[in-house]
Amino acid sequence: DTGVSQNPRHKITKRGQNVTFRCDPISEHNRLYWYRQTLGQGPEFLTYFQNEAQLEKSRLLSDRFSAERPKGSFSTLEIQRTEQGDSAMYLCASSLGLAEQFFGPGTRLTVL
Amino acid sequence: GDSVTQMEGPVTLSEEAFLTINCTYTATGYPSLFWYVQYPGEGLQLLLKATKADDKGSNKGFEATYRKETTSFHLEKGSVQVSDSAVYFCALSDRDDYKLSFGAGTTVTVRA
Repeated sequence: DTGVSQNPRHKITKRGQNVTFRCDPISEHNRLYWYRQTLGQGPEFLTYFQNEAQLEKSRLLSDRFSAERPKGSFSTLEIQRTEQGDSAMYLCASSLGLAEQFFGPGTRLTVL
Repeated sequence: GDSVTQMEGPVTLSEEAFLTINCTYTATGYPSLFWYVQYPGEGLQLLLKATKADDKGSNKGFEATYRKETTSFHLEKGSVQVSDSAVYFCALSDRDDYKLSFGAGTTVTVRA
């Protein structure tokens, strides 16, 4: 399968813990996006990378959130000191330039 | 900022019925417009898109026309099947950076 993959698919954590998610984009896609989707809502943009450069961050991305794409391939999204309000589906998408974005299956985070 | 408003669901239809999901948008400039679909247990998939006024996107029997004068991009299908049961998201992207802004989604259930 050469689509976008995300790991883990599900994560349950306790409030205050740190969590890290990984996204592997489609090979050779130079753009990578992170979105967050809460129940009953559409995905909301968090941040995106072009190669290894993080070009934009949404105001939704508080200081507890950090994303990296160190070699312009896979990306990680870390949430420090998780809060119950962080519970959501975290989606990753990739694209070749400004073309269609392909989405991964998402990581569902539950903060207890 | 850019935003998308789509018809609230859920929508329940019988097979072979006509489906319309309304979508209107607010944006500066000339956005590209999209419909994404999320089938049960799967990730978001691009259904169709239109990049300029009066363009019609079509795929799998679905159609939507980019109406600049009414800022709308309504999704239609003439005869739905049970397999069309899914959540449908209207979205737009600013031409400059192509991050997506989504509507809240409309759940469609088609009964045999």
